[in-house]
Amino acid sequence: AQTVTQSQPEMSVQEAETVTLSCTYDTSESDYYLFWYKQPPSRQMILVIRQEAYKQQNATENRFSVNFQKAAKSFSLKISDSQLGDAAMYFCAYRSKQGGSEKLVFGKGTKLTVNP
Amino acid sequence: NAGVTQTPKFRVLKTGQSMTLLCAQDMNHEYMYWYRQDPGMGLRLIHYSVGEGTTAKGEVPDGYNVSRLKKQNFLLGLESAAPSQTSVYFCASSSGQGAKNIQYFGAGTRLSVL
Repeated sequence: AQTVTQSQPEMSVQEAETVTLSCTYDTSESDYYLFWYKQPPSRQMILVIRQEAYKQQNATENRFSVNFQKAAKSFSLKISDSQLGDAAMYFCAYRSKQGGSEKLVFGKGTKLTVNP
Repeated sequence: NAGVTQTPKFRVLKTGQSMTLLCAQDMNHEYMYWYRQDPGMGLRLIHYSVGEGTTAKGEVPDGYNVSRLKKQNFLLGLESAAPSQTSVYFCASSSGQGAKNIQYFGAGTRLSVL
């Protein structure tokens, strides 16, 4: 079974600075998807960014980018020019391409605080 | 656009009571999921469905039952609530069309079992 590990329970960053959230995963599969979800205090889960394992190019979405290291099974999220609205729980998630159910396996999350 | 709607948003139960959580999606999605979120944990999959009339167990299915009688609805039932089921419950749906599809989440239901 796949597992996802987020080793940083909490992180903080100054407004306008850059922060990187870590995620590692364990799988025997060669092709899969990886996601970062944001959960603000409203509890709503919001997709931030996704990566397909077969794509070597790191995904980017505006101020959010990932550093995908397939051999190391690492998938970190970089937030540039941090804003107060970025404060939230961030969850890394894995989705297998096998089985057809498209289930997500989540890490335990990292709480990001943005200081003004 | 409603997306994924969960009912109710909050509920308090006594041990042994039963209840049903309703999830409705208006995106014509094939796949639906129920997760629970506990403090210090990520979301864990309870049950899921890959189409109308089908259900399957996830990671933590014990104490829960589900039904998918209509494509747009996915019900999560607790027959005899226990304090260990105090949690925030999330429903999600996805199109089931592989590569580019993502899961869309509801706003969650906070359940307390006393």
